[in-house]
Amino acid sequence: KAGVTQTPRYLIKTRGQQVTLSCSPISGHRSVSWYQQTPGQGLQFLFEYFSETQRNKGNFPGRFSGRQFSNSRSEMNVSTLELGDSALYLCASSLLGPGSRTDTQYFGPGTRLTVL
Amino acid sequence: EDQVTQSPEALRLQEGESSSLNCSYTVSGLRGLFWYRQDPGKGPEFLFTLYSAGEEKEKERLKATLTKKESFLHITAPKPEDSATYLCAVQGVDAGNNRKLIWGLGTSLGVNP
Repeated sequence: KAGVTQTPRYLIKTRGQQVTLSCSPISGHRSVSWYQQTPGQGLQFLFEYFSETQRNKGNFPGRFSGRQFSNSRSEMNVSTLELGDSALYLCASSLLGPGSRTDTQYFGPGTRLTVL
Repeated sequence: EDQVTQSPEALRLQEGESSSLNCSYTVSGLRGLFWYRQDPGKGPEFLFTLYSAGEEKEKERLKATLTKKESFLHITAPKPEDSATYLCAVQGVDAGNNRKLIWGLGTSLGVNP
């Protein structure tokens, strides 16, 4: 079974631009979560989508947004990029929704975003 | 406040030198504790899930254990390919009764040949 895929793997943007990242979950998985990872900050939760609806959201500004399609694929958008947005953006998929007792997240390889 | 603390931050071992990594946690309504391995520039790779105190899981040279306050990842006779950052995450419940994951900052493990 194919794992979680993320595209593109690398991006270089300049301040003020916007970017869209894509994530395809493991086949059959319905929940997609997005994380930002920077050295020293660890994994910071952005949001979780299930059945095309945002179910949970972390403490990030409104410049960070996302959506999920009917095939469970998800996109994340960052508008008006800032230098501090440079990070590894990770997508994780899980089988069940956020209301389930417990579930395991499986991660993609990440998208390395550099903002100049 | 829900919190996960991993120690040490970094660890350097000689090949064959066994050791343990620690993950201490405070969470309301523990639903599971997860261990992941992350190589530089890559996404975390799932290793284990532990659900209740006393539970143990093994995979090759790795063994994870769980108590009511902490988890240990024991590495027996490590090899250089075990070098990675090991992440711990605890699954609890938020105010809306949805599951939530709280992540530690990880332990960076280096194994010298």
